[in-house]
Amino acid sequence: EPEVTQTPSHQVTQMGQEVILRCVPISNHLYFYWYRQILGQKVEFLVSFYNNEISEKSEIFDDQFSVERPDGSNFTLKIRSTKLEDSAMYFCASRVTGTTEAFFGQGTRLTVV
Amino acid sequence: GEDVEQSLFLSVREGDSSVINCTYTDSSSTYLYWYKQEPGAGLQLLTYIFSNMDMKQDQRLTVLLNKKDKHLSLRIADTQTGDSAIYFCAFLADSGYALNFGKGTSLLVTP
Repeated sequence: EPEVTQTPSHQVTQMGQEVILRCVPISNHLYFYWYRQILGQKVEFLVSFYNNEISEKSEIFDDQFSVERPDGSNFTLKIRSTKLEDSAMYFCASRVTGTTEAFFGQGTRLTVV
Repeated sequence: GEDVEQSLFLSVREGDSSVINCTYTDSSSTYLYWYKQEPGAGLQLLTYIFSNMDMKQDQRLTVLLNKKDKHLSLRIADTQTGDSAIYFCAFLADSGYALNFGKGTSLLVTP
C-alpha cells in the first residue's frame, strides 16, 4: 500500500543550526502539507503546497521556515536557524486531487539542544 | 480560530465499547475526521463524515455527528488491545487546505 515516508525518524540539532526534514509523498498526490506536534500539545498546521507554491500557511510558518519540492518525488521543510521551541514531531502529509483525505507520514522527531 | 476539545484519556476493558468524544466551535466545517496514532507511528486516517450526515458506520467504527451541539463521537465496538492508541478528531478549515486537530484522546484497552 502506498505511504508517505519521512526521513530521518529522529534528528537532533544544536540551536541556531539549519535542518532539512524530508518527505516522499504518495506518488500521484499533488497536495502536500507539513504539520507539527509539540510534546503534549495538539497537531498544528504549518503549510500547504500545491502546484509548486505555498497555498496556505499558518502563523507558525514564519521566515525561518521554507518548503521546497526539489524534484518529482521529495518535499522538504527547512528551518534556517533552529530554536529550542522548534523541538517537536513534524508530520508530512499528502492528498490526491478531488479528495479531502490526507495521508500522513510517520513523522520526524526534531530535538533542538 | 477553531477550538477543538477532546477528553485526554479513556480506559476500557477488552470486548467493551469505547466512545471517544470531541466538541468544536466552528460550525462551517464540511468534513470531520478521526485519526489514530499508534506509538511511534504517524497519523492514520480511520474514518470521516460529511457535515450533512448524522451517522456513519464502518465495520467496528461508528461516527456520530450532532451539529446542533457541535459534538462528534467515535464509537469502537468490541474494543481490542490493538486499538490502544491516541485518537484525534480533526476538521477541515474553511480554506479547504488545513486540518484543525484536537489534542487527542489516549485510549488504553486492558485485558
